[in-house]
Amino acid sequence: AQSVTQLDSHVSVSEGTPVLLRCNYSSSYSPSLFWYVQHPNKGLQLLLKYTSAATLVKGINGFEAEFKKSETSFHLTKPSAHMSDAAEYFCVVSKAAGNKLTFGGGTRVLVKP
Amino acid sequence: NAGVTQTPKFRVLKTGQSMTLLCAQDMNHEYMYWYRQDPGMGLRLIHYSVGEGTTAKGEVPDGYNVSRLKKQNFLLGLESAAPSQTSVYFCASNPSGLNNEQFFGPGTRLTVL
Repeated sequence: AQSVTQLDSHVSVSEGTPVLLRCNYSSSYSPSLFWYVQHPNKGLQLLLKYTSAATLVKGINGFEAEFKKSETSFHLTKPSAHMSDAAEYFCVVSKAAGNKLTFGGGTRVLVKP
Repeated sequence: NAGVTQTPKFRVLKTGQSMTLLCAQDMNHEYMYWYRQDPGMGLRLIHYSVGEGTTAKGEVPDGYNVSRLKKQNFLLGLESAAPSQTSVYFCASNPSGLNNEQFFGPGTRLTVL
């Protein structure tokens, strides 16, 4: 079985400061991992994905994530937060059969001016 | 391309009523999925389909049925709605194969009174 834990349900940052969203996963095989973002009252948009190539993955809007197998982590970072980054972020692991996704509980990001 | 669309966007039902949610995609994707989103729980998979005429159960299938009569459409049915089915429902699709990004629709907000 696979599972995903997002360690913070809410994160508050000031505009221009770094953002760190933490994610730990468990999987019985080499996982594919994703980060999705959901802006208020919108659908989900892919930020980035890890599929066993480079361990540091760059995504859209300046986000990046690092896959650390020894720590079973896939934390998401951005050097400088923007007001438009206020949203909910989901860490997701993919199961091979049927490409089914298992979602973490989400981290809601608040950006203060 | 419209991508993934969902009909309706909002619906209010009384306990015991039935309804069908429609998902349509114009990307010729093989795989389609229905999720529900509840606060603090991320998205949970209800049912999915790996091709026209096929369906399979996900994590939380009870109380729902699905059909995939045409490749581009995936229908989610509630035969006898219950207040516990109050949620936001998302449809997604992706090409066949592993590790592919899922493309999400805008969601349907359902309230069961």
